[in-house]
Amino acid sequence: DAGVTQSPTHLIKTRGQQVTLRCSPKSGHDTVSWYQQALGQGPQFIFQYYEEEERQRGNFPDRFSGHQFPNYSSELNVNALLLGDSALYLCASSRKGGSYEQYFGPGTRLTVT
Amino acid sequence: AQSVSQHNHHVILSEAASLELGCNYSYGGTVNLFWYVQYPGQHLQLLLKYFSGDPLVKGIKGFEAEFIKSKFSFNLRKPSVQWSDTAEYFCAVNARWGGATNKLIFGTGTLLAVQP
Repeated sequence: DAGVTQSPTHLIKTRGQQVTLRCSPKSGHDTVSWYQQALGQGPQFIFQYYEEEERQRGNFPDRFSGHQFPNYSSELNVNALLLGDSALYLCASSRKGGSYEQYFGPGTRLTVT
Repeated sequence: AQSVSQHNHHVILSEAASLELGCNYSYGGTVNLFWYVQYPGQHLQLLLKYFSGDPLVKGIKGFEAEFIKSKFSFNLRKPSVQWSDTAEYFCAVNARWGGATNKLIFGTGTLLAVQP
């Protein structure tokens, strides 16, 4: 049973560019949440997708957007990258709209130069 | 606004010492509470959780946590730590309201180093 998978593992981008991160949830899970973890900090909630719709959003600008596909996988898009966007981006999956515990993937390390 | 505080940022213990990591949250409603662990080079893993019922919950690897509602606390404990417990520990809260999908709010983490 595969857990949560994320791609790519590492990514280096330049300020102003756009990036897309991908996530496949754990088998049987239908909800995907995205978190940003800056160095030395706990993960910060970006948004959550369930039934292909954004259900909840944290305190992140509109430059951060996402999508969920019919197979429950998800993408996180960040436009107009800033140096401050450098972080570990975590995807977490859960069942039934997030009421159950969330299982985390290994993350994508994004570096913006 | 909801928040989670972890008072110990960096803890150093010798093997066999007892561990207690503090976690306090601010939210007046019903909550789910979690402790996650991140071992070096690995992803976040669920250590234990509290949804309801017995406020003393047991997790994997001998860890336990006690929910004290009156103190808004969910402290993590282990009677005797091992070198393999060296990791970063995160307390998280999931505020339950209206049956809607809910986000996890994390503390800043506690880095535990166990010396052999």
